[in-house]
Amino acid sequence: GAVVSQHPSWVICKSGTSVKIECRSLDFQATTMFWYRQFPKQSLMLMATSNEGSKATYEQGVEKDKFLINHASLTLSTLTVTSAHPEDSSFYICSARQGGGEQYFGPGTRLTVT
Amino acid sequence: AQSVSQHNHHVILSEAASLELGCNYSYGGTVNLFWYVQYPGQHLQLLLKYFSGDPLVKGIKGFEAEFIKSKFSFNLRKPSVQWSDTAEYFCAGKSLAAGNKLTFGGGTRVLVKP
Repeated sequence: GAVVSQHPSWVICKSGTSVKIECRSLDFQATTMFWYRQFPKQSLMLMATSNEGSKATYEQGVEKDKFLINHASLTLSTLTVTSAHPEDSSFYICSARQGGGEQYFGPGTRLTVT
Repeated sequence: AQSVSQHNHHVILSEAASLELGCNYSYGGTVNLFWYVQYPGQHLQLLLKYFSGDPLVKGIKGFEAEFIKSKFSFNLRKPSVQWSDTAEYFCAGKSLAAGNKLTFGGGTRVLVKP
């Protein structure tokens, strides 16, 4: 089946710094990638949708200047958390889809901001 | 607005017991429904999906779900669970009318006691 990877799987950063998370589709071309956030014991909340080569569409309440998303190629999307704060600590999950097909999920990245 | 809700937050049962997890959706028009499983420390995996046709959907690992349009439900079932079914289960839905974005229910943590 299709594989989506994320890097890093776990990151700790200091408050005020920025951290970049990568999402790659390993064996298919992802025309659309999605970024989700999952708080402990809660469900996945969609943050934004990105189509290759165009600007991401953010969900209501998600700060686009804080969560920068770049989908520069058909196999790579990045999420940069800028000026991170402890409340940004969470589990970030990406998923990728080719055309209108099934969404495949990455393993997630646990971000801890100290 | 479109939404997906799961009735139970936690379920504890013994091996060989039957499992049924409730899921209700509120979408207009044609809806696609999914059940995902997240084993401890692993990424989301698709168990089964319903797009159209036979409302009784068979998935992997012995799971099945029934789409009941009149009840706006898509409950997940397994006749006899195993310890390895311990995981978190998420119901999700999407519709073209709602932007084709996957919306997740709150999740149900299932603990199967050996």
